[in-house]
Amino acid sequence: EAGVVQSPRYKIIEKKQPVAFWCNPISGHNTLYWYRQNLGQGPELLIRYENEEAVDDSQLPKDRFSAERLKGVDSTLKIQPAELGDSAVYLCASSPPMLAVTDTQYFGPGTRLTVL
Amino acid sequence: AQKITQTQPGMFVQEKEAVTLDCTYDTSDQSYGLFWYKQPSSGEMIFLIYQGSYDEQNATEGRYSLNFQKARKSANLVISASQLGDSAMYFCAMREGTSSARQLTFGSGTQLTVLP
Repeated sequence: EAGVVQSPRYKIIEKKQPVAFWCNPISGHNTLYWYRQNLGQGPELLIRYENEEAVDDSQLPKDRFSAERLKGVDSTLKIQPAELGDSAVYLCASSPPMLAVTDTQYFGPGTRLTVL
Repeated sequence: AQKITQTQPGMFVQEKEAVTLDCTYDTSDQSYGLFWYKQPSSGEMIFLIYQGSYDEQNATEGRYSLNFQKARKSANLVISASQLGDSAMYFCAMREGTSSARQLTFGSGTQLTVLP
């Protein structure tokens, strides 16, 4: 079974430029998460999708960040314009329906963003 | 208040020895799950082990075991017979059962280095 796929793995951009990250979850997983992980810290949730619906985006900086999951499968996270403080690893995770409290999420390899 | 606290930024262990990574948590929920993830330098979060709040036995998974002390709200990870490949960041995380978000809350991590 294929795992969570993310691309690109690395991205270097100058500040004020736009950037987009792509995620393909595990087949059959209807819940998709985007996390941001700053250097030396644990991941923090940005947004959670249940199928096509964004059900928790309270931590997403909506002035510059946007996300979409049009057909309930792949998802794209966009930053426009990027700032120096956006340098981080962006992790995508997915989980199956009817998640029990003890079930895990499955993470992709992440996209490491560097903003110069 | 921090929900997950990992007080050891870095740990060293000699190859083949056992090591304990500390994790304390804070929740008022009766139902919750505790997780440990390994994050090597490649960036992917690898699920290691989980413990449910109602589980009476400590979880074990190969060389990993979880020392769960509910009254102390601690869930320490024990790695036996350390290997060089165990060198990585280790994160403790919690999902609270009553949270509709189903998100994981992570600690700040412990960098483990296994010495030859």
